[in-house]
Order: sequence, then C-alpha cells, then structure tokens
Amino acid sequence: NAGVTQTPKFRVLKTGQSMTLLCAQDMNHEYMYWYRQDPGMGLRLIHYSVGEGTTAKGEVPDGYNVSRLKKQNFLLGLESAAPSQTSVYFCASSYTVYNEQFFGPGTRLTVL
Amino acid sequence: AQSVTQPDIHITVSEGASLELRCNYSYGATPYLFWYVQSPGQGLQLLLKYFSGDTLVQGIKGFEAEFKRSQSSFNLRKPSVHWSDAAEYFCAGTAGKSTFGDGTTLTVKP
Repeated sequence: NAGVTQTPKFRVLKTGQSMTLLCAQDMNHEYMYWYRQDPGMGLRLIHYSVGEGTTAKGEVPDGYNVSRLKKQNFLLGLESAAPSQTSVYFCASSYTVYNEQFFGPGTRLTVL
Repeated sequence: AQSVTQPDIHITVSEGASLELRCNYSYGATPYLFWYVQSPGQGLQLLLKYFSGDTLVQGIKGFEAEFKRSQSSFNLRKPSVHWSDAAEYFCAGTAGKSTFGDGTTLTVKP
C-alpha cells in the first residue's frame, strides 16, 4: 500500500517549457487535490477533483490544467512555465471532503 | 467565509517543556477539524482529527487537541516536547470545503 505517490520528485524547467506532474493513489479515494506551497504562504489549492472525470478550480488555478481520466491518477499540467510557478507541489487524496487528506511527498519545481 | 486561523507563525520551546499551538475556526456549522504535521522536505501527516463527540481527542506522537465551541478553537497540545517534534504544524477544517491554516513552525531548543 503505497498511499499517495508523486512523479517526479524534482524538476528544473526553463521559462516557456511545459511539463506534467503525476499523482497516483491506491486507496480508492474519490477526492484528489493539487496544492502549491511557498514560503510564508501556507498551502494554496490549485485544482481538485471529486471523482473520476471531474475537475474543479481551486484558489490559484491560473497557468495550470488538470485531468482525472482514471480514479487513481490526477495529473497537473503546466503549459508554459513561468518563474512564478517555482514552488513545491503537493498532491493529496481523501474519501470525501469530510475525511482527512493523505499527502504525497511533494515535487520541487524550479522554473528558470 | 469559512476559515481556519493559526495566530502564531513561529513558536520556540525548550525540549521537555509543554506545548500549545493555537487554531481558531470560523464556520457557520460545526466543522470537522484536523491537525497535520510537516517535517522538512516531506508531505503533511495527520496527527489527529475531531468529528464530533468527546471534545478532547488523542492523536499520534503524544499529541492531543481540545475542541472548544465557545471559543471557536481547536488547540493542539503536548505535555513534553521532544527535539524530533520540530516541524511545521497545520490546522485544517471542513464543513463541505477544506481550508488550511497558514501553519506554525515549531523550533525546539536543546
């Protein structure tokens, strides 16, 4: 039982490049979330999903897209990376919005 | 608006001393409340949660929290802090939408 895994762990991009972050969970959770964490700003919700095939915008969605084609996977895409997207990205999942969230180990992204 | 507030950005305590981290919530209904811990370079891990019933909840690593409806608070406590408790702590709540506090960084002095 791996819980929540994230790929990759580290990545360096140049401005304008694109990439996809993969999140996978093996707990059969309906809800999945993408957060970014920046110093002094806590966790900010980017996008979330309430089930397979659904996505919704969070607090800071601009510049990101997501897809949830399979229940166990939640992908976060950056179409044209900007230095402001340098951050640590966390994926999380939960049974429902009323249950605790299980977090992945994070992806540290640097955009030059 | 639904929100969770952690008034203390940074707290320093001596090893062996007691600890209390504050969390205040603002919800129309009684929320479900959580405390998470984040060690450096890692994701968040659940310490404890409150759904209903007994207002004093026990968690892992010797932590406990008390739900006080009259004060809209859910403070985290530990009677004796260990050096390994140094981390960032997040309070979170949900009444249909999850919200996280900004976190409190705990430093433990030897």
